[in-house]
Amino acid sequence: GDSVTQMEGPVTLSEEAFLTINCTYTATGYPSLFWYVQYPGEGLQLLLKATKADDKGSNKGFEATYRKETTSFHLEKGSVQVSDSAVYFCALSAAGGTSYGKLTFGQGTILTVHP
Amino acid sequence: EAQVTQNPRYLITVTGKKLTVTCSQNMNHEYMSWYRQDPGLGLRQIYYSMNVEVTDKGDVPEGYKVSRKEKRNFPLILESPSPNQTSLYFCASSGFMFLGRSSYEQYFGPGTRLTVT
Repeated sequence: GDSVTQMEGPVTLSEEAFLTINCTYTATGYPSLFWYVQYPGEGLQLLLKATKADDKGSNKGFEATYRKETTSFHLEKGSVQVSDSAVYFCALSAAGGTSYGKLTFGQGTILTVHP
Repeated sequence: EAQVTQNPRYLITVTGKKLTVTCSQNMNHEYMSWYRQDPGLGLRQIYYSMNVEVTDKGDVPEGYKVSRKEKRNFPLILESPSPNQTSLYFCASSGFMFLGRSSYEQYFGPGTRLTVT
């Protein structure tokens, strides 16, 4: 079945540091890929998405590129802020069939940014 | 404001006492889903619904029931809760895009933290 693997956390960085959170996936066909963010005490919010190979999703300074050849969707940000402290989830949505609409999540990566 | 609401936000109950967690969305979305979030496991789908009166099991449906009598509501029912159902629960909704490829986002509720003692 479909699966998503994220790098082990937690990740602790100083403000203005470069961030990478690795995400790889296993899926049949051509899934859509997502990064969701969960701030403390809140639900999940979509951060960015990509729907086909070589697409780059971007939002709030975060970027991720859909790499089909390496089945990866790594999240990057050039300069993190304290306000970026949250849990980040990589997820995929399979294309069609009985799994249509279902999101398969990675285990989440806790990011803490210190001033 | 477009949103998914859940109630209650926090619930402590005892083993075997039936409970219902409500979920409502105001975006006229066809698709609704329930997930549970556990440390180290991410989110796992419990049940989903493609439209009114159409529901199906997700990855971890045991011990849960759902119903979809109205498009906006998708309650989660625990007939006889057990301690292993202690978790953080999220409801989500989404509209369909019939383009042969799933590219829509799901909107999540704020979560319900359930403790079963």
